[in-house]
Amino acid sequence: EDKVVQSPLSLVVHEGDTVTLNCSYEVTNFRSLLWYKQEKKAPTFLFMLTSSGIEKKSGRLSSILDKKELFSILNITATQTGDSAIYLCAPQYLSYKYIFGTGTRLKVLA
Amino acid sequence: EAQVTQNPRYLITVTGKKLTVTCSQNMNHEYMSWYRQDPGLGLRQIYYSMNVEATDKGDVPEGYKVSRKEKRNFPLILESPSPNQTSLYFCASSPQGRVQETQYFGPGTRLLVL
Repeated sequence: EDKVVQSPLSLVVHEGDTVTLNCSYEVTNFRSLLWYKQEKKAPTFLFMLTSSGIEKKSGRLSSILDKKELFSILNITATQTGDSAIYLCAPQYLSYKYIFGTGTRLKVLA
Repeated sequence: EAQVTQNPRYLITVTGKKLTVTCSQNMNHEYMSWYRQDPGLGLRQIYYSMNVEATDKGDVPEGYKVSRKEKRNFPLILESPSPNQTSLYFCASSPQGRVQETQYFGPGTRLLVL
């Protein structure tokens, strides 16, 4: 059965802390893995990962994929209150099917 | 502006009364998809469409219908809504055939079925 597990479920940190969010998956015919940020609205795209070991960076956010161990991590350094959101990972599999994790809820305190 | 639009944004209805949630994109994307989001369950794919007249079931298609008569529109139809279809619904689109592209989400439709 295809599945995605994100951890931790919830995280509360202070501004300036670094956080690591985890996503492990088991899917058939894996194609890519996407990370999204969701505040009180629609998910917004962060990263798409297709190759193992290649880090993608965008400002304070970075992400990497391990296709052998079937997981991805999302790092956020020097967190800010604006980083408070739910972070979703979604492997793409088969042709154009996606399975989303339940997300990690991050709260950054001032 | 490139976007995915959904209507209505909020809807309260009663059990059994047919409803349609519209989704439209102006990016000429081939691929469109519907998701529902429920607390503790995350986003679950309902149906997707690879192109006009080509649709397929996602993980939770029961109780829903879709159609794709034109490239830009992908309506979600609930023929006989039930309270367990109370949820937040998202439509998404992306260009097909390019794995590097991501999905663009609409703003969401919050549905309450009484």
